[in-house]
Amino acid sequence: QLQLHESGPGLVKPSETLSLTCTVSGGSISTRSHYWGWVRQPPGKGLEWIGSIYYGGSTYYNPSLKSRVAMSVHTSTNQFSLRLSSVTAADTAVYFCARLYCSSTSCPLDHWGQGTLVTVSS
Amino acid sequence: SYVLTQPPSVSVAPGQTARITCGGNNIGGVNVHWYQQRPGQAPVLVVFDVSDRPSGIPERFSGSNSGNTATLTISGVEAADEADYYCQVWDTTSDHYVFGTGTKVTVL
Repeated sequence: QLQLHESGPGLVKPSETLSLTCTVSGGSISTRSHYWGWVRQPPGKGLEWIGSIYYGGSTYYNPSLKSRVAMSVHTSTNQFSLRLSSVTAADTAVYFCARLYCSSTSCPLDHWGQGTLVTVSS
Repeated sequence: SYVLTQPPSVSVAPGQTARITCGGNNIGGVNVHWYQQRPGQAPVLVVFDVSDRPSGIPERFSGSNSGNTATLTISGVEAADEADYYCQVWDTTSDHYVFGTGTKVTVL
């Protein structure tokens, strides 16, 4: 079955760029009905939508993060990536990657990775 | 930005019905998704498009939506239902998803 797995540094210094990759297995990232997204959760807090990307490259970003976020998709390796620049302690969170299953009316997140904790600290 | 408000906590006895609300301006006109998140785990989609259930989700989970409130109902609550629950909608004014504030369901 479809599986997603996040990978990347668990510790990032303030003002630097956070980089994460999500590897998709058990299915192709190049599927017309799917978008691929990132969600984060600060320790003890709720979920925050970061953004999503289509295999063709179109993106949707949370307006509150848009100036610092960049997503990309790598069809040859069945992966997609997140870059968040100029990080501060407020960006410390568990970062989840997920699949969005899109119908004509909506795109719920129907498969999730297990999440990876990224701590911003010097 | 669109704001979704949920009660911080709901307590329910086993076998009873839990109702989790999600308040938002005219939310009754949009699709709402609900996620269950057990401690230390990733969220799981339990209801999408207001009232549809993904494969493998028990019929005990149901959803409704009207006016300014969407509701997730868990009938015949079991101990395994103890978790945080989040609603989610697409904000069409700024083209991004918004999550609710989250509700912790405690099974007494």
